[in-house]
Amino acid sequence: QSALTQPASVSGSPGQSITISCTGSSSDVGSYNLVSWYQQHPGKAPKLMIYEGSKRPSGVSDRFSGSKSGNTASLTISGLQAEDEADYYCCSYARSSTFIFGGGTKLTVL
Amino acid sequence: QLHLQESDPGLVKPSETLSLTCTVSGGSISSRNYYWGWIRQPPGKGLEWIGTVYYSGSTYYNPSLTSRVTISVDTSKNQFSLKLNSVTAADTAVYYCARHNYNGSGRHIDYWGQGTLVTVSS
Repeated sequence: QSALTQPASVSGSPGQSITISCTGSSSDVGSYNLVSWYQQHPGKAPKLMIYEGSKRPSGVSDRFSGSKSGNTASLTISGLQAEDEADYYCCSYARSSTFIFGGGTKLTVL
Repeated sequence: QLHLQESDPGLVKPSETLSLTCTVSGGSISSRNYYWGWIRQPPGKGLEWIGTVYYSGSTYYNPSLTSRVTISVDTSKNQFSLKLNSVTAADTAVYYCARHNYNGSGRHIDYWGQGTLVTVSS
């Protein structure tokens, strides 16, 4: 069970949009529309931002959106704000009722 | 509001067993469609899923840890626990307990504890 692949870092200026990719395999991302995304600020617990690929929990800004194509899921953040600067992790449900995380992406707001 | 709180074992010696307990408040650990699990994060690194337990006692583990991990549940205390044996320095991490939501077709982690740092050192 290998970690999902995410870019180590992405950056953008306030107001811009960025997209973080998350590549898995036919055993996880490709088999289920069950990718979730988490935001983690330094020293804090992760926070759920997207679930079931594209659904937002109550209270999460609609600037956050998710999608999937084949074995790759994506998180898009539009209208970047300073408070969006954080680490982002994707996570997929996988075979045998397990979960697998991506390696994480550090988002820098320039 | 659901709240999860990890116990704080602090320091564990190499080759010994790491033991953690998560106390759930604001909701019942016996609720259907929720699994309870553990995730860890080594300092400066990414998240690693360890495993889950259902209130009935059914468990699922990360294949890379399954030989060393046991997760159990105590519904009378609204708690679940993690035991990781034969620890090494590589097991040093912040350990999070978390609720896994299985409502409908969902499979995601919706509530997290604050995390507790466990250091493996002699």
